[in-house]
Amino acid sequence: GQQVMQIPQYQHVQEGEDFTTYCNSSTTLSNIQWYKQRPGGHPVFLIQLVKSGEVKKQKRLTFQFGEAKKNSSLHITATQTTDVGTYFCAGYGAGSYQLTFGKGTKLSVIP
Amino acid sequence: DTGVSQNPRHKITKRGQNVTFRCDPISEHNRLYWYRQTLGQGPEFLTYFQNEAQLEKSRLLSDRFSAERPKGSFSTLEIQRTEQGDSAMYLCASSSGQGNAADTQYFGPGTRLTVL
Repeated sequence: GQQVMQIPQYQHVQEGEDFTTYCNSSTTLSNIQWYKQRPGGHPVFLIQLVKSGEVKKQKRLTFQFGEAKKNSSLHITATQTTDVGTYFCAGYGAGSYQLTFGKGTKLSVIP
Repeated sequence: DTGVSQNPRHKITKRGQNVTFRCDPISEHNRLYWYRQTLGQGPEFLTYFQNEAQLEKSRLLSDRFSAERPKGSFSTLEIQRTEQGDSAMYLCASSSGQGNAADTQYFGPGTRLTVL
């Protein structure tokens, strides 16, 4: 079945440093979604990418979808303590309603 | 609060007992999903409803698990003869169902199950 892998599993950064998490799928995705889960919370939708090579920005967050629609990345510029949490990528396979999540990257920001 | 709600928020049960969880999706959302999440893992898809019809089930879903959405609104997830390995957070999500499969899913706060 479809597998979604994320690296790194953990990332500790000093406040103000940049952060990037990478996501790779074993199969071509129809789209990719990114979620953020705060400690003790539930996943919250951040963004969806659909087109090959698509890049979207949300303030300090930049999301990219690979040309082959099998990989994606999330980059945070100048991290803040409010960025703490686990970032998950998730993808739908073609014609499926099953959203497959990666294991997530847990971000810690040291003030 | 117009978000997805789940009850109970916590459930502690003894091995072998049956448990049932409830999910109330966002009003007028016709798609509803159940996931299971264990520590250090991403949410794992369990099943999906379009209105009252259960259209997809994970192949990993044991026969002890059953879900219903009888009137196309709230849903229940029942686990029979619970095992310690069932201990996890059970998340429900809903989406509007407009357009293609890939619409935004809104997650509830989850029900944390502990099986002793």
